[in-house]
Amino acid sequence: AQSVTQPDIHITVSEGASLELRCNYSYGATPYLFWYVQSPGQGLQLLLKYFSGDTLVQGIKGFEAEFKRSQSSFNLRKPSVHWSDAAEYFCAVGGAVGGSNYKLTFGKGTLLTVNP
Amino acid sequence: EADIYQTPRYLVIGTGKKITLECSQTMGHDKMYWYQQDPGMELHLIHYSYGVNSTEKGDLSSESTVSRIRTEHFPLTLESARPSHTSQYLCASRPDSSGANVLTFGAGSRLTVL
Repeated sequence: AQSVTQPDIHITVSEGASLELRCNYSYGATPYLFWYVQSPGQGLQLLLKYFSGDTLVQGIKGFEAEFKRSQSSFNLRKPSVHWSDAAEYFCAVGGAVGGSNYKLTFGKGTLLTVNP
Repeated sequence: EADIYQTPRYLVIGTGKKITLECSQTMGHDKMYWYQQDPGMELHLIHYSYGVNSTEKGDLSSESTVSRIRTEHFPLTLESARPSHTSQYLCASRPDSSGANVLTFGAGSRLTVL
């Protein structure tokens, strides 16, 4: 069974500081990996995705993530956090499109607070 | 700009009432999903559809039902709401093409049952 673990429930950083949000996954084959962000009262917005190829993936809003197969990780990073980045971040893992059992499994999320 | 719309955004209702949460998308996506989201918990898939007249139950058992009569609509219904149904419900969709298994989410419907 596929699963996602986000070890940090809540992270607080100062504006301008660097950020890394951790994500570990369990999946029996080559995974498709995603990071979504959710602002209060909103749905989930895709930040970036990894399907194949370069293991360092660039996303929107200056975020990047690195796929490390040996560590089963897909950590999200940003060099300098802005106050508007305060939100909840969800990591997700899924399988190949077209499979009858395709589904996206989400972690429990990491709430990011940004101090001025 | 969201191309998937959910109504109502917020609903407070009494126990025993019937409610329908609407979800519409304008992208022509075949695949649609309903997720239930509670604070501090992962999103749980409760229903999905691979096209018109196709509906399946997800991983989390739910007393809600869904229908898919038209490609663009995927409403969720609770025949008799209970306080345990209080949650946020997120609708999502994706196209049916290889390599494009990226979900687009609506803004959610937050349901409170008193």
